[in-house]
Amino acid sequence: SQTIHQWPATLVQPVGSPLSLECTVEGTSNPNLYWYRQAAGRGLQLLFYSVGIGQISSEVPQNLSASRPQDRQFILSSKKLLLSDSGFYLCAWSSVIPEAFFGQGTRLTVV
Amino acid sequence: DAKTTQPNSMESNEEEPVHLPCNHSTISGTDYIHWYRQLPSQGPEYVIHGLTSNVNNRMASLAIAEDRKSSTLILHRATLRDAAVYYCILRRYLNTPLVFGKGTRLSVIA
Repeated sequence: SQTIHQWPATLVQPVGSPLSLECTVEGTSNPNLYWYRQAAGRGLQLLFYSVGIGQISSEVPQNLSASRPQDRQFILSSKKLLLSDSGFYLCAWSSVIPEAFFGQGTRLTVV
Repeated sequence: DAKTTQPNSMESNEEEPVHLPCNHSTISGTDYIHWYRQLPSQGPEYVIHGLTSNVNNRMASLAIAEDRKSSTLILHRATLRDAAVYYCILRRYLNTPLVFGKGTRLSVIA
């Protein structure tokens, strides 16, 4: 069966520090991969999506970047975090079936 | 992608049916109607989807208007565990991202 792993579950980082969030998918090949962010009390915002290795589409200009070094690995990064980067980060995948599957999320607090 | 409009919030009594409406007047002929829900502090989960015909699964039913400009998600017997934000999303192709609106926050009263 397909599973999605996202870690860490919670993270507290100082302003100006780097960020790396990792997401891996098991049980499927060539999935579409997505990063979303949900600020406190707000809706889900699509940040990046990828349809293949090395292919990244950015939906919102900001100080975050994404990379897909392997077929089932998706990484969200930042060189210098801002206070406004705080939020709930979700990784998701979809494939040939209609459903998209979401990870458990990382709650990031920038202090 | 075409836009959807949902009420901000709804309330239901436990064990009662719940009808969650969604308007999508600019829907195109190839747009699928998807519903997801997000429980507190969790990622969204798939509920149901359809194109033209009404759909049923173990979680819910989806009623689609004949002109496809609106749809209704039906929870047949609301439980406390159904309290969540429900999102109605139009999706043209399977490999396009899900774009979430504000959704409807459903409260279930015991």
